[in-house]
Amino acid sequence: GAGVSQSPRYKVAKRGQDVALRCDPISGHVSLFWYQQALGQGPEFLTYFQNEAQLDKSGLPSDRFFAERPEGSVSTLKIQRTQQEDSAVYLCASSLWTINYGYTFGSGTRLTVV
Amino acid sequence: AQSVAQPEDQVNVAEGNPLTVKCTYSVSGNPYLFWYVQYPNRGLQFLLKYITGDNLVKGSYGFEAEFNKSQTSFHLKKPSALVSDSALYFCAVLHSSASKIIFGSGTRLSIRP
Repeated sequence: GAGVSQSPRYKVAKRGQDVALRCDPISGHVSLFWYQQALGQGPEFLTYFQNEAQLDKSGLPSDRFFAERPEGSVSTLKIQRTQQEDSAVYLCASSLWTINYGYTFGSGTRLTVV
Repeated sequence: AQSVAQPEDQVNVAEGNPLTVKCTYSVSGNPYLFWYVQYPNRGLQFLLKYITGDNLVKGSYGFEAEFNKSQTSFHLKKPSALVSDSALYFCAVLHSSASKIIFGSGTRLSIRP
């Protein structure tokens, strides 16, 4: 596609509910990244994929967070047993190869946990 | 550890005046630095990057940034501000692992007519 597509655009979840956020990167982009952006703050790194391999998951805040990219294209970020502190915008970005080329970001999914 | 600092939460400039958004960095080794802009309810858009070469980097929408090694700064500049430049601006640095970009806390730029 022309850009990075994320769905849903908005998600409201009750505390304790599981959610799944989808990211469709730009076609052919090898690298895919997930970031969490809390209100009024800069994006915080969550995890990084190169094709289907998850090479860095050091930013995932707890074992309730899980990301996958099984076929090296679409990625899903799953949050189990959501908590209020999970409320944030979740941004996905892709890059042609390495970060040196810069990221292209999606518009994000705004998650609100009530 | 690689990090960037944006000392100003908000910058206010009159339209037509020059603008500067400040960023300082802390890295081991050569820095790879970026500026991104975020408009309301939208993802981040790439403005420019410094990897090596000329200290003055030109980017999108008339923005430029000056890399200063002695002051460890990478300030974003524009000679004449537009109201449409009002947005949230993030400075960022490539982590030493090269697997991620680390973002600053952001500076809200407000251009008044």
